[in-house]
Amino acid sequence: GAGVSQSPSNKVTEKGKDVELRCDPISGHTALYWYRQSLGQGLEFLIYFQGNSAPDKSGLPSDRFSAERTGGSVSTLTIQRTQQEDSAVYLCASSLARAGTMGNEQFFGPGTRLTVL
Amino acid sequence: DAKTTQPTSMDCAEGRAANLPCNHSTISGNEYVYWYRQIHSQGPQYIIHGLKNNETNEMASLIITEDRKSSTLILPHATLRDTAVYYCIVCGGWDTNAGKSTFGDGTTLTVKP
Repeated sequence: GAGVSQSPSNKVTEKGKDVELRCDPISGHTALYWYRQSLGQGLEFLIYFQGNSAPDKSGLPSDRFSAERTGGSVSTLTIQRTQQEDSAVYLCASSLARAGTMGNEQFFGPGTRLTVL
Repeated sequence: DAKTTQPTSMDCAEGRAANLPCNHSTISGNEYVYWYRQIHSQGPQYIIHGLKNNETNEMASLIITEDRKSSTLILPHATLRDTAVYYCIVCGGWDTNAGKSTFGDGTTLTVKP
């Protein structure tokens, strides 16, 4: 079946512009995660959704970052007034997170590479 | 979520077992140990996870100490394609609402011919 997909795969924008990154999770996965990975660094947790709600927004680096999820499926990460330090690969993951499952393994998408000029 | 500590890098000879350690001394009782790996320019890939008991699948084995404060990922016969960054994380299961996953910097495993 289809895995996690993200679009666009690459995005180049100018400083100060807004960008929207999209994540389509695996069908039936209730949990969805956003991470950021700067060049040569590990994954930085941004936000997590269970269904349409986000119990933990503590990882969002500033109020320029926001995310939403509708219909328990697609999620959008929005970055307003982009800065050069926002340049990174933004990764999305989803997990089944349902009763009867032992764990909560995450399946990752290929990421969106954001470059802010 | 509990933090984890891993060595920055390790080397392994092709065909030999690769043993990657992870310390998670502050793990709580309802947290699982997960291992992922990330091959260059790709998204992370799930490998294995466990709670208390040792686990084995087609990719690897996971050995968790009795006190659960550390674990070891074993790749029994490493190949060149196993060269990657390996992340050990701990996080809650589906019912803890603890979705935050702290990946850290991982261990860069280099498998050499």
